[in-house]
Amino acid sequence: EVQLVESGGGLVHPGGSLRLSCAASGFPFNTYSIKWVRQAPGKGPECISHISGGSGTIYYAESVRGRFTISRDNAKNSVYLQMNSLRAEDTAVYYCARDNLGTSYYGMDVWGQGTTVTVSS
Amino acid sequence: EIVLTQSPATLSLSPGERATLSCRASQSVSSYLAWYQQKPGQAPRLLIYDASNRATGIPARFSGSGSGTDFTLTISSLEPEDFAVYYCQQCSNWPQTFGPGTKVDIK
Repeated sequence: EVQLVESGGGLVHPGGSLRLSCAASGFPFNTYSIKWVRQAPGKGPECISHISGGSGTIYYAESVRGRFTISRDNAKNSVYLQMNSLRAEDTAVYYCARDNLGTSYYGMDVWGQGTTVTVSS
Repeated sequence: EIVLTQSPATLSLSPGERATLSCRASQSVSSYLAWYQQKPGQAPRLLIYDASNRATGIPARFSGSGSGTDFTLTISSLEPEDFAVYYCQQCSNWPQTFGPGTKVDIK
């Protein structure tokens, strides 16, 4: 079964750090780019980071650039999101998602169940 | 950043009726537009990619059209499980952006 499973969310104080993980199974992981997408309560989704299959192409949204770092370990079929200097506005459900058909032009066809990050004092 | 607007914000319809949802981009995204369905507590589900191609396993009652800046998602005959929020996403430029959503609820 094709699957993505996120972990690592939780409650953190403003200024703190968290590392999210996304474990993949059921498909040739190193041939697919992966995105992190977050959704704040009551809001639409927001693409915050992208990493290509070989890690050669990485993007960040302006809202997280300089604070978040995406990486992947193809030997472990995993993608990570290191989140530093967290702010209240980073509170959201964080999803990892696979680019459909292996290209970033066609949406995201496989999503994890999401992990909740709450930034609060 | 490309801004997407969706209309209407809410669509109140009965099962069996036709739903027509609109998505407009602030600049051309060619055909690189996707549609998603999201139900409470669930991740978005890809319905349509490249403006008009149904994703794997998506029923034929869902169809997409458009190019450039104006796009439409049509649900030909609403089933009870179709009442949800629908988002469009432009996949042309980074940052890839989503619209604010259209909620399809039961009249």
